[in-house]
Amino acid sequence: SQKIEQNSEALNIQEGKTATLTCNYTNYSPAYLQWYRQDPGRGPVFLLLIRENEKEKRKERLKVTFDTTLKQSLFHITASQPADSATYLCALGGVMDTGRRALTFGSGTRLQVQP
Amino acid sequence: DAGITQSPRHKVTETGTPVTLRCHQTENHRYMYWYRQDPGHGLRLIHYSYGVKDTDKGEVSDGYSVSRSKTEDFLLTLESATSSQTSVYFCAISESLASGDNNEQFFGPGTRLTVL
Repeated sequence: SQKIEQNSEALNIQEGKTATLTCNYTNYSPAYLQWYRQDPGRGPVFLLLIRENEKEKRKERLKVTFDTTLKQSLFHITASQPADSATYLCALGGVMDTGRRALTFGSGTRLQVQP
Repeated sequence: DAGITQSPRHKVTETGTPVTLRCHQTENHRYMYWYRQDPGHGLRLIHYSYGVKDTDKGEVSDGYSVSRSKTEDFLLTLESATSSQTSVYFCAISESLASGDNNEQFFGPGTRLTVL
């Protein structure tokens, strides 16, 4: 069955450094991949989408890469700030092995940026 | 939260009782979803709707039913709540399911349900 893996351990970094989060998947050929941010007690908020034929996408301090050969996406936040502290979820979109189109979420990685 | 409300925001109920959660949107988006979020499992899709009266099962649909009689409302019902259904429930909406620019999902604030 399809599986998405994100590092369950929190990532702690110093302010100003680049944070890199990893999303790996197996048994899936997604048409696109999305990243969301979730703050405690709130719903996820969409950040970026990258399609299967795109290698890299940028938005302000955010950069996402998508390697369909390695079945991996990397999510970078440059010049990180304490306000970037949150849980980041990756989500894969496309046709599931059930034949249905759906968005499948990873369990997220918590990022803590120390001042 | 992109014009999405959920009610109630918190609920405590007893095993065996029926529970209905409501999601209301003002964005006129076609697709609506119900997810549950549990530690270690992330967000899991329960049911989704692709139009009025059109619904389909998600990954963890057992024990849940849904209804959508109007574009703006999507109801999730637990016919007979069990302790394993204690979770945070999120409603989401999107314009599309295809791999286009407008298929991002917008989430509501969540409902914390505790089944004793």
